[in-house]
Order: sequence, then C-alpha cells, then structure tokens
Amino acid sequence: ETGVTQSPTHLIKTRGQQVTLRCSSQSGHNTVSWYQQALGQGPQFIFQYYREEENGRGNFPPRFSGLQFPNYSSELNVNALELDDSALYLCASSLGGGKNTGELFFGEGSRLTVL
Amino acid sequence: RKEVEQDPGPFNVPEGATVAFNCTYSNSASQSFFWYRQDCRKEPKLLMSVYSSGNEDGRFTAQLNRASQYISLLIRDSKLSDSATYLCVVTISGSARQLTFGSGTQLTVLP
Repeated sequence: ETGVTQSPTHLIKTRGQQVTLRCSSQSGHNTVSWYQQALGQGPQFIFQYYREEENGRGNFPPRFSGLQFPNYSSELNVNALELDDSALYLCASSLGGGKNTGELFFGEGSRLTVL
Repeated sequence: RKEVEQDPGPFNVPEGATVAFNCTYSNSASQSFFWYRQDCRKEPKLLMSVYSSGNEDGRFTAQLNRASQYISLLIRDSKLSDSATYLCVVTISGSARQLTFGSGTQLTVLP
C-alpha cells in the first residue's frame, strides 16, 4: 500500500452543505496534492500544499479550499456543495524539491455523493 | 480541447494479445510524461515514465514523439492481471508536480 490514508471513504451530502475531507501523507512526504475524479474521467488537479503553503492550484472555484498541518497531513474543504461536486476525491503525497519524478502516491480516495 | 486526449476504448483483448494505447497532448511546454494504471475502484499508480528515446519495462514499452505531441504504450503478451484503466499523464515544467491526466482507456483481457 502507499501509506496515504484518507477519510471518510464514502459520504453523502446535500446541495449547499459543506464537507471536509482528510488525508494523512506517506511518512517523510512534505507535499500533498488533491485531485477530483468524476466518473469515467481522469483525475483533475485541485491544488497542492508544500510545507503548509498552497503551491499551485487548478481550475477550481474558491469554495474549494485546503489546509496542510505541521505533520504534513491535509484537509480539503468544499463549501456550498453542488451536484457536480459528486466525485472521488484523491489525495496524493510526494517529496517536494529535487527532480520531478512524476510519481505521486495516492490514497484510496473519498467518494462524495451530493444529492 | 482537452489537454491530454486518449483513445476512448474500451479495449477487450484475449490473453496473449498485443495492445497499444495512444495519447496526444496539447501543451508544447509539457516536460514529463507518464503512464499510470488504475484498477477498478482503486487509486491510480505509476506504471512507468516515458522518455524521449523510448523505454521498456518487461512487457510494457512506452514511446514519446515530442514533435507530434504523441505518447504511446504497448503491452505485449497481455495477462488477465493487466485489466485496468490506463491513464496518460503529463506535467509542465515548474508546475510543482501538477499532473494532467487523460480520461483513461479501459482494458479488459479475456481468458
């Protein structure tokens, strides 16, 4: 396994609600990225955190926000949920700095359903 | 136009067959290229990087054509365990490990 753990694994929310997803990165990894994977699509980059600072953001609205903690774990928060937010949310950890090997270690994801 | 486009699939092939996946990318600033594999309802995992000179890892061969902005993956002697979705991935220089994924091509290897 990758050593990246996410919680919860599944959850159901209604439109307009808020959700917080959590991720513990692999030991020694200081960079966490979040991706959204809709059904039948590839993962889409939401944002990345490196040493507690946002370090890159994809094409997602401000209601998608995040945090990284001193132990490098991370949260993804989504406010004012919309039906299209229904997806698998993947957290990935890596070691920042140095050569970009392109290898991210993904957790198994949090599957969000918005009704 | 999507930044990374892949064969729509799905591909259903018999065991032992050779199968090829194609991928094109739109951003000429793309620097690094990869194939990831995603099993049903699981997380994506790195299969292999793709180098300009082409590279091989056992039954898997990856090719890159920067002029045509084209990437390929060839799987020889398919095994049942190769059944998965194959995701073409690119990164852009300075993107701090922001991976851009294609939609994936589903492969089913049949007994």
